[in-house]
Amino acid sequence: DADVTQTPRNRITKTGKRIMLECSQTKGHDRMYWYRQDPGLGLRLIYYSFDVKDINKGEISDGYSVSRQAQAKFSLSLESAIPNQTALYFCATSDLWGYTFGSGTRLTVV
Amino acid sequence: AQSVTQLGSHVSVSEGALVLLRCNYSSSVPPYLFWYVQYPNQGLQLLLKYTSAATLVKGINGFEAEFKKSETSFHLTKPSAHMSDAAEYFCAVSFSNDYKLSFGAGTTVTVRA
Repeated sequence: DADVTQTPRNRITKTGKRIMLECSQTKGHDRMYWYRQDPGLGLRLIYYSFDVKDINKGEISDGYSVSRQAQAKFSLSLESAIPNQTALYFCATSDLWGYTFGSGTRLTVV
Repeated sequence: AQSVTQLGSHVSVSEGALVLLRCNYSSSVPPYLFWYVQYPNQGLQLLLKYTSAATLVKGINGFEAEFKKSETSFHLTKPSAHMSDAAEYFCAVSFSNDYKLSFGAGTTVTVRA
């Protein structure tokens, strides 16, 4: 099994729909992150969590929310999806020595 | 404020030629620096990282990078490109005060036969 698992891998949804992207990790790390990747912009941080009780906004949190259900689980929600949220989303976990990324969720909002 | 700038969004090299990808950072505290590679339709894979030990860092697949504090740079090189090096490369920076990764915009490498 992968160290960081994201579900779904691909999703097409309609404008205005609520959607949740899920992430689980088996690394045992406290820190978890959600990034989105857009062509020409690299990866930008949406939300991050340093432990179960600690949730922080990243640089582009508007339109998103997160839930840290357990040390191993960190979900990203789009309450009302819009087309400019079409992107590749990555979950990651880290300790002091490095990051581990999931394989990504490709989300298309039509 | 801290940031990462990758110079050149696309680089095209001939097979066997030098690969040079440029990365500059700005920060007020010592950085940790990373290079990641993303192959088509895949996630991010760590190539190498600088964490204040040796300034010349060797990574996987023959890549290396040199941290130059005076130039605030962390350029990635590979002496001889291979077709399998075609991918997108990201420079990233984090800091000991919060460990969040900030990424550059990425450089796409194509390798010509």
